[in-house]
Amino acid sequence: DTAVSQTPKYLVTQMGNDKSIKCEQNLGHDTMYWYKQDSKKFLKIMFSYNNKELIINETVPNRFSPKSPDKAHLNLHINSLELGDSAVYFCASSNPPVGVAQYFGPGTRLTVL
Amino acid sequence: LAKTTQPISMDSYEGQEVNITCSHNNIATNDYITWYQQFPSQGPRFIIQGYKTKVTNEVASLFIPADRKSSTLSLPRVSLSDTAVYYCLVGGPNSGGYQKVTFGTGTKLQVIP
Repeated sequence: DTAVSQTPKYLVTQMGNDKSIKCEQNLGHDTMYWYKQDSKKFLKIMFSYNNKELIINETVPNRFSPKSPDKAHLNLHINSLELGDSAVYFCASSNPPVGVAQYFGPGTRLTVL
Repeated sequence: LAKTTQPISMDSYEGQEVNITCSHNNIATNDYITWYQQFPSQGPRFIIQGYKTKVTNEVASLFIPADRKSSTLSLPRVSLSDTAVYYCLVGGPNSGGYQKVTFGTGTKLQVIP
């Protein structure tokens, strides 16, 4: 059974379009995250939600808007896509308290043309 | 956030023990040290986590000196399938009490037959 799943796995789109990436976890975790991994393989946290509440919001353009309909889902919507948004986006989940492992999804490779 | 420094790459022959050291001079009192493994086109996978001294599981050992300013991941008898990027992370609670971690640049381990 897949613990953290993301859809789609690949996403190719034109500049200026709006797109969404979906994430679901069946681990019963309370906290979910979005990370961005660029072409140089740097992995940076973007957002974190705990029980549908935004708790971490790093320096991310307003074009990126996370939405958590319930604690098992955390979607990422991106408006007006730019070339620099091309990257692999990973969703992850964990449970408080601090110090526990994060479980990552398989990633969504976004290519903006 | 505590910044981490790791070697960019390492080579090792099959069957050898591999030690990857990570520096984190600015580690905070509440920070844990966590190591992840990432294969190409996959999300990071949790390996081991510790706060101080030594932690061992079925996959690896983690050595943390008393000052906690560095840590060493030890992989016993590596095989070709251990070829991956290994990330050292330090993180702890943010002001809201939830986990916030920062990924470093990672160490690309190449296991040679």
